[in-house]
Amino acid sequence: GAVVSQHPSWVICKSGTSVKIECRSLDFQATTMFWYRQFPKQSLMLMATSNEGSKATYEQGVEKDKFLINHASLTLSTLTVTSAHPEDSSFYICSARSALAGDHNEQFFGPGTRLTVL
Amino acid sequence: GQNIDQPTEMTATEGAIVQINCTYQTSGFNGLFWYQQHAGEAPTFLSYNVLDGLEEKGRFSSFLSRSKGYSYLLLKELQMKDSASYLCAVRDGDYKLSFGAGTTVTVRA
Repeated sequence: GAVVSQHPSWVICKSGTSVKIECRSLDFQATTMFWYRQFPKQSLMLMATSNEGSKATYEQGVEKDKFLINHASLTLSTLTVTSAHPEDSSFYICSARSALAGDHNEQFFGPGTRLTVL
Repeated sequence: GQNIDQPTEMTATEGAIVQINCTYQTSGFNGLFWYQQHAGEAPTFLSYNVLDGLEEKGRFSSFLSRSKGYSYLLLKELQMKDSASYLCAVRDGDYKLSFGAGTTVTVRA
């Protein structure tokens, strides 16, 4: 159980276009989903926290108008990178926290999406 | 803010033991996690500590000292497949995880 999927697994786009990344919890309901970004040889950096039915909370330095997050249901959150530029090229990873969280291992990670902006 | 430090790289021989240290200074503490991450893949959960002491789980053990802001991950009987990056992460009261930069472990035959 506790499987999180991401789609697409990789995407290449032209500079100036927008890209949408989906994060789904397949076998549990996720009240909270987290979006991370990881540059090569660096650690995961939390971008935003997404709660179902409410606005996302962004970390300092993350532009909310550039990285649009929608958490429309308990099993789906989307991250849209608007007007992408080469510096947005990165590995984007989501994680989901179960609505029944009680176990210490309550954040389950998706497989990640590799974004390359040309 | 959060400050989490761990060594950048470690190399060990197959069958040996390796200890990865992690020190942290964080504004809140609600548990420390260790994750394994292979290149291009998502992190996978290895261990969790919230109280002081040692947690053992097969070939992997993790230790925590909250007063010292210190943890280590111990990998025993190293196998080639253990070559990966190991991430130390601290959870705060809002369930946010702050990650260290990761330690790349290379296991040699």
